[in-house]
Amino acid sequence: TQLLEQSPQFLSIQEGENLTVYCNSSSVFSSLQWYRQEPGEGPVLLVTVVTGGEVKKLKRLTFQFGDARKDSSLHITAAQPGDTGLYLCAGAPPRDTDKLIFGTGTRLQVFP
Amino acid sequence: DVKVTQSSRYLVKRTGEKVFLECVQDMDHENMFWYRQDPGLGLRLIYFSYDVKMKEKGDIPEGYSVSREKKERFSLILESASTNQTSMYLCASSLGLSNQPQHFGDGTRLSIL
Repeated sequence: TQLLEQSPQFLSIQEGENLTVYCNSSSVFSSLQWYRQEPGEGPVLLVTVVTGGEVKKLKRLTFQFGDARKDSSLHITAAQPGDTGLYLCAGAPPRDTDKLIFGTGTRLQVFP
Repeated sequence: DVKVTQSSRYLVKRTGEKVFLECVQDMDHENMFWYRQDPGLGLRLIYFSYDVKMKEKGDIPEGYSVSREKKERFSLILESASTNQTSMYLCASSLGLSNQPQHFGDGTRLSIL
């Protein structure tokens, strides 16, 4: 069974700080997606990365897919209270790309 | 915008009851999924359907079954509810192509007493 480990599990920071969330596996994925989930809602897609080494930026969020397509990171610059939520990475297995394996999640709290 | 609607936000049932969770999507997606979400465990796939009347077991199918009689509707059934099935249940749908994003409903928080 493929697993995706996220770290840290919890992160509590002040507004304006930078942070990085890691998503690691020993398995290769066809693509890697990042979702954010807010209380009382389902996860919402932030980005999909497909190519090893790919970097995508979404305003203050920078996503990177590892060269070997086994890991990914999410970096947030100058965090804001609106960034608060549960961040989930999800990988598509190469032989079953309709499905996703979800990471364990990182709960981020940004205080004003 | 894709809309995935789960029939209940909160549900309280008793041990041994048969429980139905319903999910409807409005974007003609081929794939539909049922997950359960527990703290520290992420989302775990219960069942997956890639077409009407087709289903595939996920990672934790024990104690659950599913039904997909129409393309837009995917039902999760707890045959005889137990307290360890208390959880948040999330339904999702996606196009039947590689590496597609999944679109989620807002979840059903199920408590089994």
